[in-house]
Amino acid sequence: EPEVTQTPSHQVTQMGQEVILRCVPISNHLYFYWYRQILGQKVEFLVSFYNNEISEKSEIFDDQFSVERPDGSNFTLKIRSTKLEDSAMYFCASSEPGWQPQHFGDGTRLSIL
Amino acid sequence: QKEVEQNSGPLSVPEGAIASLNCTYSDRVSQSFFWYRQYSGKSPELIMSIYSNGDKEDGRFTAQLNKASQYVSLLIRDSQPSDSATYLCAVNGRDDKIIFGKGTRLHILP
Repeated sequence: EPEVTQTPSHQVTQMGQEVILRCVPISNHLYFYWYRQILGQKVEFLVSFYNNEISEKSEIFDDQFSVERPDGSNFTLKIRSTKLEDSAMYFCASSEPGWQPQHFGDGTRLSIL
Repeated sequence: QKEVEQNSGPLSVPEGAIASLNCTYSDRVSQSFFWYRQYSGKSPELIMSIYSNGDKEDGRFTAQLNKASQYVSLLIRDSQPSDSATYLCAVNGRDDKIIFGKGTRLHILP
């Protein structure tokens, strides 16, 4: 069964550094998403991406965040200047259009020191 | 502010019994509803999706939707220890994002 893949599984970074989290969505999906889950808390929506542009973003997704689909398969989340509070699990998800279920990758655990 | 509310639990259910998980949502125009299961340290895994009022059954799982009451539930029959997890209710409204509830922790007692 096709799946969403994320790399790396764990990223450790110094505060203030830039990080790029990578995702390969399911190949025939057209909608792509990033979510964040701080330890012990709920899954929080960050951004949705469709047709090479952001279609929706939350208040969490401020100017330090950006997303990109650099080629036909990858979907990336960049955090420009990381803060301690960015430490969380970041999940990528993809779906077909029409309010279809989102399928999640295994996540990247981001630890900011 | 669109909200999805769930009882955080833990909900303890004896093995073999029916587990009943509930969820309410605030956005009346919500169109699609999902139940995800999340084991500790893992990603959410889709269990059920439901789009219209009534019941939808898939194996041991039944999702129930009542749009008038803005209520969605998940029943797990013949509960197994492997069902012990956090169950996330998720609601997709008119825009391209899903709002998750905080999840209900389910503990199946052997």
